[in-house]
Amino acid sequence: DAGVIQSPRHEVTEMGQEVTLRCKPISGHDYLFWYRQTMMRGLELLIYFNNNVPIDDSGMPEDRFSAKMPNASFSTLKIQPSEPRDSAVYFCASSSGPQGRETQYFGPGTRLLVL
Amino acid sequence: AQSVSQHNHHVILSEAASLELGCNYSYGGTVNLFWYVQYPGQHLQLLLKYFSGDPLVKGIKGFEAEFIKSKFSFNLRKPSVQWSDTAEYFCAVNAIGTDKLIFGTGTRLQVFP
Repeated sequence: DAGVIQSPRHEVTEMGQEVTLRCKPISGHDYLFWYRQTMMRGLELLIYFNNNVPIDDSGMPEDRFSAKMPNASFSTLKIQPSEPRDSAVYFCASSSGPQGRETQYFGPGTRLLVL
Repeated sequence: AQSVSQHNHHVILSEAASLELGCNYSYGGTVNLFWYVQYPGQHLQLLLKYFSGDPLVKGIKGFEAEFIKSKFSFNLRKPSVQWSDTAEYFCAVNAIGTDKLIFGTGTRLQVFP
């Protein structure tokens, strides 16, 4: 298996632009997680899905952020409009069970810079 | 609210030195505990985990961690570090009965030859 795949690996955009991050989980995993990593706040869970259904989006910072999982092999995280404070590394992870009981497998991350 | 503290933000060691990274959590109930590692330019990967049983857990690459319930701690140790251990280390805690995995802010370890 290729592991969790994320694209793009790097994104530089200007404030106000729409940003879409993509994730392909490991085949057979029915949980998918989106995280944001910053120096100040560390690794934060934004949202997670189970069987393509959003279960907990309490970590999504504000309405500018949205996430979808149209099928078992694809998810997107969208920021519209983007702001400089959104600059961070965004990780996608998948697992075969709930967070606390199964190992999460992380993707390589998308490094986002909003100017 | 649950929280995880990693007090060592940046640790610098020479090769062959011993390592101990602290992890403390705030939750009075039963927990599952994890250490993840992120090597430079790579994604996070599991180092070791504790669910129950022997509180001394052995992971990959010679790492181990000890769960001390009375101290709410799950410190990571390695007797002799190598240059290749240079990475960022994250402690994570799951409170049984919840679906949340709370990560600490990470400890950056630099090992010099």
